Amino acid sequence: AQSVTQLGSHVSVSEGALVLLRCNYSSSVPPYLFWYVQYPNQGLQLLLKYTTGATLVKGINGFEAEFKKSETSFHLTKPSAHMSDAAEYFCAVSDPRFGNEKLTFGTGTRLTIIP
Amino acid sequence: GAVVSQHPSRVICKSGTSVKIECRSLDFQATTMFWYRQFPKQSLMLMATSNEGSKATYEQGVEKDKFLINHASLTLSTLTVTSAHPEDSSFYICSARSIGRTEAFFGQGTRLTVV
Repeated sequence: AQSVTQLGSHVSVSEGALVLLRCNYSSSVPPYLFWYVQYPNQGLQLLLKYTTGATLVKGINGFEAEFKKSETSFHLTKPSAHMSDAAEYFCAVSDPRFGNEKLTFGTGTRLTIIP
Repeated sequence: GAVVSQHPSRVICKSGTSVKIECRSLDFQATTMFWYRQFPKQSLMLMATSNEGSKATYEQGVEKDKFLINHASLTLSTLTVTSAHPEDSSFYICSARSIGRTEAFFGQGTRLTVV
């Protein structure tokens, strides 16, 4: 079984400040990890993913995340927040053993940017 | 590439009627499609997994007779909400995955309102 915990349902940062969204996972096997962004009334857009290899993953819109196996974490960061980053962010995990296995999502973190 | 189109984006229907939502993969063959439901301010909850040409697998607690899923081709899956009631009002999102890919691609979602 797999699970995802996102600490902080709401995060507010000032424009230009560092963005840090936390994600911890539980998995009995090495997981695939994902971050998605959701704008109001829209579907999910993939920000970045980790499968194998380099543990620091760079995604779109200046976001990056680091897979830390020892901490079972996959926190999302961005050095400088922009107003357009305001959205809901979901961390997700999948089990690569089963190929097209379904994603297990965290409960999401709503990011607010303060002008 | 990897575009998933969901239609309609918004639908309002009367209580007791049925509503069909389509999920199409436009530029790849989706051997597996997933249907999620998102309640306000909550994460996505997987409803069912459908594989082309076979019956859908429903998650625990999801009424298969109420949420009919058909995956008749490698590019189309449909979700029919039968005898809809106001409590079925929600945001429904599909995703599609092809063999060899490590992530699912999401449609833009359908906002269903039952009045």
